[in-house]
Amino acid sequence: QQQVKQSPQSLIVQKGGISIINCAYENTAFDYFPWYQQFPGKGPALLIAIRPDVSEKKEGRFTISFNKSAKQFSLHIMDSQPGDSATYFCAAHNDYKLSFGAGTTVTVRA
Amino acid sequence: DAGVIQSPRHEVTEMGQEVTLRCKPISGHDYLFWYRQTMMRGLELLIYFNNNVPIDDSGMPEDRFSAKMPNASFSTLKIQPSEPRDSAVYFCASSGRVNTEAFFGQGTRLTVV
Repeated sequence: QQQVKQSPQSLIVQKGGISIINCAYENTAFDYFPWYQQFPGKGPALLIAIRPDVSEKKEGRFTISFNKSAKQFSLHIMDSQPGDSATYFCAAHNDYKLSFGAGTTVTVRA
Repeated sequence: DAGVIQSPRHEVTEMGQEVTLRCKPISGHDYLFWYRQTMMRGLELLIYFNNNVPIDDSGMPEDRFSAKMPNASFSTLKIQPSEPRDSAVYFCASSGRVNTEAFFGQGTRLTVV
């Protein structure tokens, strides 16, 4: 049973556009919410993370929005670039373990 | 630091054979995790260690799977006997203390024919 539900499964965006990926969870014990980026043939790498006492975190073109009451969080990629084409995983941390969403494959068309 | 190092990068083996995957975590990290990635099931946590001690192996699919961490710089994941449904990419990751980033290795792509 997937503890973190992620959508959409894939998306295509034009260069310069905004990519939005959504995640939802049920377990209120989760205490840390990272996003990982994975390129083909590579392991996932941490992109940005947020704690539940913060509603938004921005790092460059990447922003996490967090809604604790709704138990939802999302990743926004602003000014999407072809180099952003990758698979993105949301995750939730509890008891030293990460539960991952199913992943979203983002394709940025030049 | 070279990051988390996994070997081999690719492994092709015949059904019934024993397979051993290896991992060297980042020096100083207390936690080591083994994940399996497939198209159908995504990233699944198989087992994790804290200070070389297995803490939670509830994700290990069957008794055919076993993992060890004999010291702070080395861990193995063994499958014996291997089956075609074990074909996947296996990742090792390590992290420091609570709520810190998990660093993943490049993965081992296992194909069982």
